[in-house]
Amino acid sequence: EAQVTQNPRYLITVTGKKLTVTCSQNMNHEYMSWYRQDPGLGLRQIYYSMNVEVTDKGDVPEGYKVSRKEKRNFPLILESPSPNQTSLYFCASRERGGHSTDTQYFGPGTRLTVL
Amino acid sequence: AQSVTQPDIHITVSEGASLELRCNYSYGATPYLFWYVQSPGQGLQLLLKYFSGDTLVQGIKGFEAEFKRSQSSFNLRKPSVHWSDAAEYFCAVGEYGGSQGNLIFGKGTKLSVKP
Repeated sequence: EAQVTQNPRYLITVTGKKLTVTCSQNMNHEYMSWYRQDPGLGLRQIYYSMNVEVTDKGDVPEGYKVSRKEKRNFPLILESPSPNQTSLYFCASRERGGHSTDTQYFGPGTRLTVL
Repeated sequence: AQSVTQPDIHITVSEGASLELRCNYSYGATPYLFWYVQSPGQGLQLLLKYFSGDTLVQGIKGFEAEFKRSQSSFNLRKPSVHWSDAAEYFCAVGEYGGSQGNLIFGKGTKLSVKP
């Protein structure tokens, strides 16, 4: 089954404790992206990747890091989480970078709480 | 800069009634337009998309949307709402010919359905 998976689905952590949210897709997609969703703000893009070893900042990259060493995986790293990073995070993938007409597939989301 | 406006934060309709969710975009060139639905606790699923051709687009679950260039709108409609349609709906615009093809999302409209 074609899908985007994220782990963990729920995470409660404390300020400053490094964490990684994994994202994996099995569709051989080139383009992957991370969003955060906050009430009243919709989805805002954190980082995206056009292909392996090619990543770039989205609209709200501060406090986050990503890497794209393999095509299927696109982990989101919070090196020193803060309470303002409490949010619902979505990973997404699309067949091609630069082609908005391709359908974008979303993972189920990771709800992160930083105390 | 591109932007998407969903004027209605929350809409309540009765089951069986018709539905129209509004979306206005700001974009200088020909936009690619999308509607996504997010059911409670789920990721986002594509309902329909428009990038050329017939301005009335049919999607899944009985939804349709009409692109009106003169009004910069892409409103989502359904003739008869079912209780299972209760969800949050997001309109998004993509770049035409953009190098990244990133999507810009509206803030969402939450739909409640009364029995």
